[in-house]
Amino acid sequence: NAGVTQTPKFQVLKTGQSMTLQCAQDMNHNSMYWYRQDPGMGLRLIYYSASEGTTDKGEVPNGYNVSRLNKREFSLRLESAAPSQTSVYFCASRGTGTNTGELFFGEGSRLTVL
Amino acid sequence: AQTVTQSQPEMSVQEAETVTLSCTYDTSESDYYLFWYKQPPSRQMILVIRQEAYKQQNATENRFSVNFQKAAKSFSLKISDSQLGDAAMYFCAYRSLDMRFGAGTRLTVKP
Repeated sequence: NAGVTQTPKFQVLKTGQSMTLQCAQDMNHNSMYWYRQDPGMGLRLIYYSASEGTTDKGEVPNGYNVSRLNKREFSLRLESAAPSQTSVYFCASRGTGTNTGELFFGEGSRLTVL
Repeated sequence: AQTVTQSQPEMSVQEAETVTLSCTYDTSESDYYLFWYKQPPSRQMILVIRQEAYKQQNATENRFSVNFQKAAKSFSLKISDSQLGDAAMYFCAYRSLDMRFGAGTRLTVKP
Protein backbone atom coordinates (compact mmCIF):
# COMPACT_ATOMS: atom_id res chain seq x y z
CA ASN A 1 0.00 0.00 0.00
CA ALA A 2 1.74 3.18 -1.21
CA GLY A 3 -0.50 5.76 0.49
CA VAL A 4 1.16 9.17 0.14
CA THR A 5 4.45 9.30 -1.74
CA GLN A 6 6.81 12.28 -1.70
CA THR A 7 9.89 12.89 -3.81
CA PRO A 8 12.68 13.65 -3.33
CA LYS A 9 13.36 12.59 0.27
CA PHE A 10 16.48 14.73 0.53
CA GLN A 11 17.62 17.78 -1.43
CA VAL A 12 20.35 20.39 -1.05
CA LEU A 13 19.93 23.67 -2.90
CA LYS A 14 21.87 26.87 -3.23
CA THR A 15 20.20 30.17 -2.48
CA GLY A 16 18.22 31.31 -5.50
CA GLN A 17 17.78 27.89 -7.06
CA SER A 18 14.34 26.52 -7.77
CA MET A 19 12.87 23.10 -7.19
CA THR A 20 9.60 21.23 -7.02
CA LEU A 21 8.54 18.73 -4.39
CA GLN A 22 6.24 16.09 -5.80
CA CYS A 23 3.44 14.40 -3.91
CA ALA A 24 1.03 11.70 -5.02
CA GLN A 25 -1.65 9.74 -3.20
CA ASP A 26 -3.42 6.59 -4.31
CA MET A 27 -6.32 6.67 -1.85
CA ASN A 28 -8.73 8.71 -4.00
CA HIS A 29 -8.72 11.54 -1.44
CA ASN A 30 -10.10 14.94 -2.34
CA SER A 31 -8.04 17.11 0.01
CA MET A 32 -4.27 17.43 0.02
CA TYR A 33 -1.88 19.52 2.13
CA TRP A 34 1.68 20.75 2.31
CA TYR A 35 3.32 21.43 5.69
CA ARG A 36 6.75 22.41 6.84
CA GLN A 37 8.20 21.24 10.13
CA ASP A 38 10.80 23.25 12.01
CA PRO A 39 12.19 22.56 15.51
CA GLY A 40 9.97 23.97 18.22
CA MET A 41 7.27 25.09 15.80
CA GLY A 42 5.39 21.93 14.96
CA LEU A 43 3.88 21.56 11.53
CA ARG A 44 2.84 24.74 9.80
CA LEU A 45 0.46 24.68 6.88
CA ILE A 46 1.85 26.13 3.65
CA TYR A 47 -0.96 25.45 1.17
CA TYR A 48 -3.84 23.06 0.86
CA SER A 49 -6.19 21.89 -1.86
CA ALA A 50 -9.71 20.98 -0.85
CA SER A 51 -10.43 19.41 -4.23
CA GLU A 52 -9.00 19.05 -7.71
CA GLY A 53 -8.66 22.48 -9.28
CA THR A 54 -8.64 24.49 -6.06
CA THR A 55 -5.81 25.67 -3.81
CA ASP A 56 -5.75 27.89 -0.73
CA LYS A 57 -3.07 29.56 1.33
CA GLY A 58 -2.24 28.29 4.77
CA GLU A 59 -0.24 29.90 7.58
CA VAL A 60 3.10 30.35 5.78
CA PRO A 61 2.56 30.55 1.98
CA ASN A 62 5.17 33.20 1.13
CA GLY A 63 7.92 31.92 -1.16
CA TYR A 64 5.94 28.90 -2.31
CA ASN A 65 3.59 27.97 -5.12
CA VAL A 66 1.48 24.86 -5.54
CA SER A 67 -0.22 22.98 -8.33
CA ARG A 68 -3.01 20.46 -7.99
CA LEU A 69 -2.23 18.66 -11.21
CA ASN A 70 -5.05 16.14 -10.86
CA LYS A 71 -6.80 14.35 -8.03
CA ARG A 72 -3.71 12.28 -7.22
CA GLU A 73 -0.94 14.85 -7.39
CA PHE A 74 -0.15 18.05 -5.48
CA SER A 75 3.23 19.67 -6.04
CA LEU A 76 5.04 22.37 -4.09
CA ARG A 77 7.43 24.72 -5.86
CA LEU A 78 10.14 26.96 -4.49
CA GLU A 79 10.91 29.51 -7.21
CA SER A 80 13.94 31.10 -5.54
CA ALA A 81 15.05 29.14 -2.51
CA ALA A 82 16.20 30.96 0.62
CA PRO A 83 18.02 29.61 3.70
CA SER A 84 14.84 30.28 5.73
CA GLN A 85 13.17 27.54 3.67
CA THR A 86 15.48 24.91 5.09
CA SER A 87 13.02 22.53 6.67
CA VAL A 88 11.35 19.15 6.54
CA TYR A 89 8.32 19.20 4.24
CA PHE A 90 5.36 16.89 4.60
CA CYS A 91 2.59 16.20 2.14
CA ALA A 92 -0.68 14.79 3.43
CA SER A 93 -4.10 13.83 2.16
CA ARG A 94 -7.37 13.69 4.00
CA GLY A 95 -9.42 10.59 4.31
CA THR A 96 -13.09 10.08 3.66
CA GLY A 97 -15.74 7.72 4.96
CA THR A 98 -14.92 6.16 8.33
CA ASN A 99 -11.61 8.01 8.38
CA THR A 100 -13.14 11.42 7.76
CA GLY A 101 -10.87 14.08 9.21
CA GLU A 102 -7.73 12.00 9.57
CA LEU A 103 -4.67 13.09 7.59
CA PHE A 104 -2.42 10.52 5.97
CA PHE A 105 1.17 11.70 5.69
CA GLY A 106 4.07 11.07 3.40
CA GLU A 107 7.48 10.27 4.84
CA GLY A 108 8.73 13.84 4.57
CA SER A 109 11.33 15.60 2.44
CA ARG A 110 14.36 17.20 4.05
CA LEU A 111 15.41 20.34 2.20
CA THR A 112 18.58 22.26 2.94
CA VAL A 113 19.20 25.65 1.36
CA LEU A 114 22.79 26.86 1.56
CA ALA B 1 -7.52 31.74 12.25
CA GLN B 2 -7.52 28.75 14.53
CA THR B 3 -4.58 28.30 16.87
CA VAL B 4 -3.44 25.26 18.77
CA THR B 5 -1.29 25.59 21.88
CA GLN B 6 0.75 22.91 23.57
CA SER B 7 2.24 24.46 26.68
CA GLN B 8 4.58 21.59 27.57
CA PRO B 9 7.62 21.44 25.26
CA GLU B 10 8.90 18.37 27.12
CA MET B 11 7.45 15.77 29.45
CA SER B 12 8.89 12.74 31.16
CA VAL B 13 7.22 9.63 32.58
CA GLN B 14 8.36 6.48 34.27
CA GLU B 15 7.64 3.25 32.43
CA ALA B 16 4.23 1.81 33.47
CA GLU B 17 3.09 5.16 34.90
CA THR B 18 0.49 7.58 33.52
CA VAL B 19 1.18 10.91 31.85
CA THR B 20 -1.11 13.65 30.55
CA LEU B 21 -0.22 15.98 27.70
CA SER B 22 -2.06 19.29 27.46
CA CYS B 23 -3.55 21.05 24.47
CA THR B 24 -5.77 24.09 24.10
CA TYR B 25 -7.18 25.59 20.94
CA ASP B 26 -8.94 28.70 19.86
CA THR B 27 -11.89 28.68 17.47
CA SER B 28 -15.25 30.28 16.87
CA GLU B 29 -16.63 27.25 15.08
CA SER B 30 -18.87 24.60 16.61
CA ASP B 31 -18.16 21.69 14.28
CA TYR B 32 -14.59 20.43 14.04
CA TYR B 33 -12.26 17.52 14.72
CA LEU B 34 -9.37 17.21 17.15
CA PHE B 35 -6.46 14.81 16.88
CA TRP B 36 -3.33 13.64 18.60
CA TYR B 37 -0.50 12.50 16.35
CA LYS B 38 2.71 10.77 17.37
CA GLN B 39 6.02 11.31 15.60
CA PRO B 40 8.82 8.90 16.55
CA PRO B 41 12.44 9.52 15.44
CA SER B 42 11.60 7.88 12.10
CA ARG B 43 9.72 11.12 11.31
CA GLN B 44 6.57 9.22 10.40
CA MET B 45 3.31 10.87 11.52
CA ILE B 46 1.05 8.36 13.26
CA LEU B 47 -2.53 9.04 14.30
CA VAL B 48 -3.04 8.24 17.98
CA ILE B 49 -6.62 9.30 18.62
CA ARG B 50 -9.42 11.42 17.17
CA GLN B 51 -12.33 13.33 18.71
CA GLU B 52 -15.33 14.80 16.91
CA ALA B 53 -16.46 18.03 18.56
CA TYR B 54 -20.16 17.10 18.45
CA LYS B 55 -19.51 13.98 20.54
CA GLN B 56 -19.59 14.52 24.29
CA GLN B 57 -18.05 11.17 25.07
CA ASN B 58 -14.26 11.20 25.34
CA ALA B 59 -12.46 9.06 22.80
CA THR B 60 -10.34 6.11 23.93
CA GLU B 61 -7.93 3.85 22.06
CA ASN B 62 -6.45 1.13 24.26
CA ARG B 63 -3.98 2.90 26.62
CA PHE B 64 -4.72 6.32 25.12
CA SER B 65 -7.65 8.49 26.12
CA VAL B 66 -8.58 12.14 25.88
CA ASN B 67 -10.24 14.64 28.16
CA PHE B 68 -12.23 16.87 25.82
CA GLN B 69 -13.64 20.02 27.40
CA LYS B 70 -15.41 21.87 24.60
CA ALA B 71 -16.38 24.95 26.57
CA ALA B 72 -12.85 25.35 27.85
CA LYS B 73 -11.41 24.49 24.42
CA SER B 74 -9.15 21.93 26.00
CA PHE B 75 -8.10 18.55 24.60
CA SER B 76 -5.59 16.63 26.74
CA LEU B 77 -4.13 13.21 26.02
CA LYS B 78 -3.67 10.63 28.77
CA ILE B 79 -1.28 7.75 28.23
CA SER B 80 -1.71 4.94 30.73
CA ASP B 81 0.81 2.19 31.48
CA SER B 82 3.49 4.07 29.53
CA GLN B 83 5.83 1.98 27.43
CA LEU B 84 9.29 2.68 26.06
CA GLY B 85 7.80 2.72 22.58
CA ASP B 86 5.61 5.68 23.53
CA ALA B 87 8.66 7.96 23.51
CA ALA B 88 8.12 10.44 20.68
CA MET B 89 6.96 13.92 19.76
CA TYR B 90 3.22 14.33 20.24
CA PHE B 91 1.25 16.87 18.27
CA CYS B 92 -2.24 18.10 18.96
CA ALA B 93 -4.18 19.13 15.85
CA TYR B 94 -7.42 20.90 15.02
CA ARG B 95 -9.33 20.45 11.80
CA SER B 96 -12.17 22.43 10.33
CA LEU B 97 -11.55 23.39 6.71
CA ASP B 98 -7.80 22.90 7.03
CA MET B 99 -5.65 21.22 9.69
CA ARG B 100 -3.53 23.14 12.21
CA PHE B 101 -0.98 21.69 14.60
CA GLY B 102 0.48 22.67 17.93
CA ALA B 103 4.23 23.03 18.45
CA GLY B 104 4.49 19.57 19.98
CA THR B 105 5.48 17.91 23.24
CA ARG B 106 8.52 15.68 23.42
CA LEU B 107 7.75 12.70 25.65
CA THR B 108 10.56 10.75 27.27
CA VAL B 109 9.85 7.38 28.90
CA LYS B 110 12.27 6.30 31.61
CA PRO B 111 12.85 2.57 32.20
